[in-house]
Amino acid sequence: TQLLEQSPQFLSIQEGENLTVYCNSSSVFSSLQWYRQEPGEGPVLLVTVVTGGEVKKLKRLTFQFGDARKDSSLHITAAQPGDTGLYLCAGKGQTGANNLFFGTGTRLTVIP
Amino acid sequence: DAGVIQSPRHEVTEMGQEVTLRCKPISGHNSLFWYRQTMMRGLELLIYFNNNVPIDDSGMPEDRFSAKMPNASFSTLKIQPSEPRDSAVYFCASSFWQPNIQYFGAGTRLSVL
Repeated sequence: TQLLEQSPQFLSIQEGENLTVYCNSSSVFSSLQWYRQEPGEGPVLLVTVVTGGEVKKLKRLTFQFGDARKDSSLHITAAQPGDTGLYLCAGKGQTGANNLFFGTGTRLTVIP
Repeated sequence: DAGVIQSPRHEVTEMGQEVTLRCKPISGHNSLFWYRQTMMRGLELLIYFNNNVPIDDSGMPEDRFSAKMPNASFSTLKIQPSEPRDSAVYFCASSFWQPNIQYFGAGTRLSVL
């Protein structure tokens, strides 16, 4: 099993603040995905990063894949209540297998 | 497309009963995944199929759990007999083999009393 630890586990911030969520592992992944899950629903893909050092921006969200492809971060600028949810990182191993290893999750609450 | 469809959305049963969860993947997808989510353990992969063939079932907790995919448009996850510790939200997801972008259903919330 390739473990992905996310930090912090819980985060409660005021609207307009910035935040960063971290996803760390001792394993190397061929790609890494970030999902957001809202209550009563399944996770929904936000982004996929593939190359070590890659940075992707999705409006106010910035995703970075570590140079060694073992870690990733998600930075949200000027958080809004609509950003509230469970954020999950998921790594794809380097073998030919097609399964993802999901992180422990960060539960974000943005207070209006 | 309607997305991944799971049924039932909620299931309440008594310990010892058989439970069957159902999943209809997105048409054309050739990979299907079953997950279990709890507060304590997060999102755990139970089993996944490629082209209707089970590829990795190492996440299935024990022999009480079984999964089938008789055709490309339907899969079941069965628990027999169910136990209170099986209470969780069970998700089904489907994808193309490449790229592995998984689309999740809304889940089945299972409560075993």
